[in-house]
Amino acid sequence: RKEVEQDPGPFNVPEGATVAFNCTYSNSASQSFFWYRQDCRKEPKLLMSVYSSGNEDGRFTAQLNRASQYISLLIRDSKLSDSATYLCVVTLDTGRRALTFGSGTRLQVQP
Amino acid sequence: DTAVSQTPKYLVTQMGNDKSIKCEQNLGHDTMYWYKQDSKKFLKIMFSYNNKELIINETVPNRFSPKSPDKAHLNLHINSLELGDSAVYFCASSQGAGANQPQHFGDGTRLSIL
Repeated sequence: RKEVEQDPGPFNVPEGATVAFNCTYSNSASQSFFWYRQDCRKEPKLLMSVYSSGNEDGRFTAQLNRASQYISLLIRDSKLSDSATYLCVVTLDTGRRALTFGSGTRLQVQP
Repeated sequence: DTAVSQTPKYLVTQMGNDKSIKCEQNLGHDTMYWYKQDSKKFLKIMFSYNNKELIINETVPNRFSPKSPDKAHLNLHINSLELGDSAVYFCASSQGAGANQPQHFGDGTRLSIL
């Protein structure tokens, strides 16, 4: 079983749609959780951290369910510029600080 | 100003050669990383250095040797390149003792082995 699993997609949605991605992680001792965004042929960039209480940043809402070991990302009112691959990321070991990436979910927002 | 910069951006070379990739960060971070992204777009940690000290060394062939001359630089030397080494290599950096510190990535080095 992969440490971090995501549906690879692609998710093809029209502009203005609401889309949600889920991600599951296998290690219950995982400490920190993030969503990164990667555009085609570019580097990953932090989109947002994910907190147990849930957090929102504009059109983006992230939630963490520790009991079920999954993380979600909700994008409201999708824009063409949201088209990218969304990477679910966890840290598994306090002292190591390395990120473990899911394989990413590709989103294509269409006009 | 580029926060994490890698050189070269593209590297095309023949099997068996030795090559180096350089990385520098001007963020004042204390930890730097090398990741490999293969053709399936899966990003995987290779090495991590904290204040010039190696703290992570994943299952990577010993043909790969990282070097950190100071905490702002982490270079990657690869000996006897193989076809399977073709990938995008990302350098990253972070600051802080907690596992919740986000990482800043360089824009990648695209390595192609002929």
